[in-house]
Amino acid sequence: DAMVIQNPRYQVTQFGKPVTLSCSQTLNHNVMYWYQQKSSQAPKLLFHYYDKDFNNEADTPDNFQSRRPNTSFCFLDIRSPGLGDAAMYLCATSRGTGTGQPQHFGDGTRLSIL
Amino acid sequence: KNQVEQSPQSLIILEGKNCTLQCNYTVSPFSNLRWYKQDTGRGPVSLTIMTFSENTKSNGRYTATLDADTKQSSLHITASQLSDSASYICVVSDSNTGNQFYFGTGTSLTVIP
Repeated sequence: DAMVIQNPRYQVTQFGKPVTLSCSQTLNHNVMYWYQQKSSQAPKLLFHYYDKDFNNEADTPDNFQSRRPNTSFCFLDIRSPGLGDAAMYLCATSRGTGTGQPQHFGDGTRLSIL
Repeated sequence: KNQVEQSPQSLIILEGKNCTLQCNYTVSPFSNLRWYKQDTGRGPVSLTIMTFSENTKSNGRYTATLDADTKQSSLHITASQLSDSASYICVVSDSNTGNQFYFGTGTSLTVIP
């Protein structure tokens, strides 16, 4: 059974049109992460939540925002997508941030920009 | 600068053969190293996680080694199968903060019949 679920798997949006990607988890993990992965590149951390505490990476564009209304759900909002935002967006969870805490990834949402 | 480098970038092997993927890192202070398998169009799935004191760890046909002195790790795949075709990603964490994960760019493995 899928434990980290991302919807939709594929998303197409227009240049500049806001889009929201969703992630849900059944693991009851405290930490949820959003990564951007472009073709043949390593995933790049955008931000993460530890419970309700939001942690933004320094180089994450202001265009990217996130919401975590409860433990199970986390959303990635892209306010004005540009062509360079086309990528796979991965959600991951972990129980905590201590040593040895594995991350559990969803299967991603592939975002295309027209 | 904390970095993780993987080699080779891509690899093609015949079904049934063995192969070894390499990961070199400069992350310090070291906390743990993980190998993930990422099938095309899917999220990464954890294969192994190794801490400073562990030299080798196996998961079925996958065996990971770690040399914390030379800051090198390898992932050995035995008797490869077509389903092993995927990208293999090495991720290193530092011990300053548990949330700092350093990703390698992965090795793309293709197993052909």
